[in-house]
Amino acid sequence: DTEVTQTPKHLVMGMTNKKSLKCEQHMGHRAMYWYKQKAKKPPELMFVYSYEKLSINESVPSRFSPECPNSSLLNLHLHALQPEDSALYLCASSQGLAGGLAKNIQYFGAGTRLSVL
Amino acid sequence: QKEVEQNSGPLSVPEGAIASLNCTYSDRVSQSFFWYRQYSGKSPELIMSIYSNGDKEDGRFTAQLNKASQYVSLLIRDSQPSDSATYLCAVRINSGGSNYKLTFGKGTLLTVNP
Repeated sequence: DTEVTQTPKHLVMGMTNKKSLKCEQHMGHRAMYWYKQKAKKPPELMFVYSYEKLSINESVPSRFSPECPNSSLLNLHLHALQPEDSALYLCASSQGLAGGLAKNIQYFGAGTRLSVL
Repeated sequence: QKEVEQNSGPLSVPEGAIASLNCTYSDRVSQSFFWYRQYSGKSPELIMSIYSNGDKEDGRFTAQLNKASQYVSLLIRDSQPSDSATYLCAVRINSGGSNYKLTFGKGTLLTVNP
């Protein structure tokens, strides 16, 4: 089973709203990732968590706030977003961050399609 | 800047033909390489991973890696219309210390014509 579950599938929010995206995996993976993908572009890495600690922040604006409450769950809190933040937000997980090659394989969730009005 | 380059396409092949997708990367020390398939509006799905020079086959898919030339490719034999998608080449790159991340190419749009 390589399932990464993301909720909600679709989200429409205003620029003054606060919302959260949720990602869950039960594969025992210890690395989890947030990506942003615009139409016809590749995924862009936003954040990486390793063993529930923030490992990489790709200079993402503070209106995006990640949280990793436990090893199975990853949240992305959204506040005061801009229309240009509308995109597909993808969560992924892998066994680990460093080390053995098979552990690096990232499995993606179905994504949350976000529209900011 | 450590980069991954792909031809954006579109690449159009007839049903039953071999589709060949190519990717080059700039970070000479990279060790892990991946091909993801992404249907329009969907999330990336892992097709192949390859770590050693040479060929790796899985069904109709063959990944080829040449580290000396910094080149990785994906061959799809007996292409089917259901193979029509964007194929993303991804390379695992060290981003400092023990941190690694995937860097994606821009993707190649493949269309298989019935």
